[in-house]
Amino acid sequence: DTEVTQTPKHLVMGMTNKKSLKCEQHMGHRAMYWYKQKAKKPPELMFVYSYEKLSINESVPSRFSPECPNSSLLNLHLHALQPEDSALYLCASSQVRLTEAFFGQGTRLTVV
Amino acid sequence: SQQGEEDPQALSIQEGENATMNCSYKTSINNLQWYRQNSGRGLVHLILIRSNEREKHSGRLRVTLDTSKKSSSLLITASRAADTASYFCATDFKAAGNKLTFGGGTRVLVKP
Repeated sequence: DTEVTQTPKHLVMGMTNKKSLKCEQHMGHRAMYWYKQKAKKPPELMFVYSYEKLSINESVPSRFSPECPNSSLLNLHLHALQPEDSALYLCASSQVRLTEAFFGQGTRLTVV
Repeated sequence: SQQGEEDPQALSIQEGENATMNCSYKTSINNLQWYRQNSGRGLVHLILIRSNEREKHSGRLRVTLDTSKKSSSLLITASRAADTASYFCATDFKAAGNKLTFGGGTRVLVKP
């Protein structure tokens, strides 16, 4: 199984809502990533978890809160987002000694 | 920014022609990877070249790496309409941990 599964595929939320994005992989990867991608731009790294511990936070606003409850799951909790946070959110996983990263299909988030 | 820069930003070719895109980066890397993205969804890993390698082939793909110039190129030979996608280089910088950073991308259109 070389799949990274992200749910939901689409999400529309208001600026006062709280929602969560979920990501799951069963490849035994111990590094997991969240990226944000705006239209016609490259993915921008947000967070990296290594062995279920947060290892990189790219100065992401606190309205985005990551969580890695176990080695297969990665969540991104969203609260009080702004319209400019609307984007495609991509989850990825890899071996800790970084080689090939496997990406999910993303969650397309719209903040209204 | 440590991110790779890519050129051209967009490329339009006829089916059967070759497509070449370039990537430049600024600091020492462990490896350089190329990914494809269709229609703003998940990224698919194409090929990885390590910092001590100069050229690598995979099917119709040929990647070169020149660490002295901090640049890489991706050649797609005998292009097909199905190769229409955005292509990104991604670098794993030394001393940066699991930090896979993407270049700006090249949008390739292969016309039948």
